This record gives sequence, C-alpha cells and structure tokens, in this order.
Amino acid sequence: DGGITQSPKYLFRKEGQNVTLSCEQNLNHDAMYWYRQDPGQGLRLIYYSQIVNDFQKGDIAEGYSVSREKKESFPLTVTSAQKNPTAFYLCASRRGMREKLFFGSGTQLSVL
Amino acid sequence: AQSVTQLGSHVSVSEGALVLLRCNYSSSVPPYLFWYVQYPNQGLQLLLKYTSAATLVKGINGFEAEFKKSETSFHLTKPSAHMSDAAEYFCAVSYNAGNMLTFGGGTRLMVKP
Repeated sequence: DGGITQSPKYLFRKEGQNVTLSCEQNLNHDAMYWYRQDPGQGLRLIYYSQIVNDFQKGDIAEGYSVSREKKESFPLTVTSAQKNPTAFYLCASRRGMREKLFFGSGTQLSVL
Repeated sequence: AQSVTQLGSHVSVSEGALVLLRCNYSSSVPPYLFWYVQYPNQGLQLLLKYTSAATLVKGINGFEAEFKKSETSFHLTKPSAHMSDAAEYFCAVSYNAGNMLTFGGGTRLMVKP
C-alpha cells in the first residue's frame, strides 16, 4: 500500500544536538511538506519542496534544514539553532499543487 | 489510538446552499479538534479549532463547527456556500494540549453555480 512513513514516532534531543526526522513516501508525489504543531495551535509550515533538488522556506524555517535528493525522501534536520524544538512534526505530500494532501503519522520531538 | 473519520470524500453543493462537512472522532478523553482547509494551489490553513471552551466554534470565512461530546462529532457548517469555498477540508484531532495530530482523510467540497 502507498503512503507516507515518518520515523521515529518519538525522538529526544539533547541540548546542542542536531536531530533528523525522516519522511518517506511511495506515492510518487512531487511535492512534500514539513509542518510543526505546538500545543493548542494550528500547523505552521517549516519547509516545502515541489520537485527534487529544490525546496523553499516556509513560515518558520529558522533553525531547520532540509534536503530533497530523492523524490520519495524529504528529511528534516532540527539544528541546535532551533531554541524551542519541542513540538509535533508532520510530513505531508501531494502529487501536484492542486491535489489533495496526504499526511504521515508524525514525530513527537522533545528536549532532554 | 485516536482516529478521525470524515464521511464523504466528496461533497457537492449549489452556491448559496448550506455546507455540512462531517467529522467524527474516537476518544476516551476530551480532545482538541481542528478544521483545516486546503485551497487549490495553496497550503493548509487553519479554519477553526476547539480547545474545551465554547462548544460552538466560529472560524474564518463564515465557517463554524459544533463540538458534540455525546455524538463524538465536530461537523463543519456554513449557512451559504460561495464558489470560493471549493477546496479540500481536513478534520484533525489531538490530545494532551494539542500534540500528536491525527488527520481525517479529507473531504473535497465542490460548489456548483
């Protein structure tokens, strides 16, 4: 079955550490997205990519980095520059800009 | 595990008609509930959210949703549909002050002239 896989489900980060969240899709979707959700808040866009080897900053890109070396993969790195990384991170993808979004199951990141 | 069911992957209404998009959730604890909209060629936008305050929640663009605990529902309504309301609508649920969002499968709203 096609879908989006995010891993790990739970992740813990030490102070000053970079961590990478995985997002893989086998839906052959061109566009992929990373969102962040904080308690009681709506989703906020971190980064998105509409095609391989290209990506754009979203509303809250500071302290994050991404890569899109393969169509099916869009990993998100939370760097030490992100001072408040504790949140729920959601990956999404869609075939084209007018198509429906599909969501992964998310990763809960916490700081030790 | 929490889950969200959106009845009807496609809903079609005439311009000016009532919009009703259904969302049911599974829960053993009070949830936080959200409705998001995805307009063509755009990203997700938060329409409204329920966070245990008033059960009737008003959102942007004339939409509102009512939390009904007895029915475990959070249906989205708008009294009069406009052509610009045509979009994909997602219901989402989370617990523990809003972490770990789970989305429904989405409902595509089509508005006929």
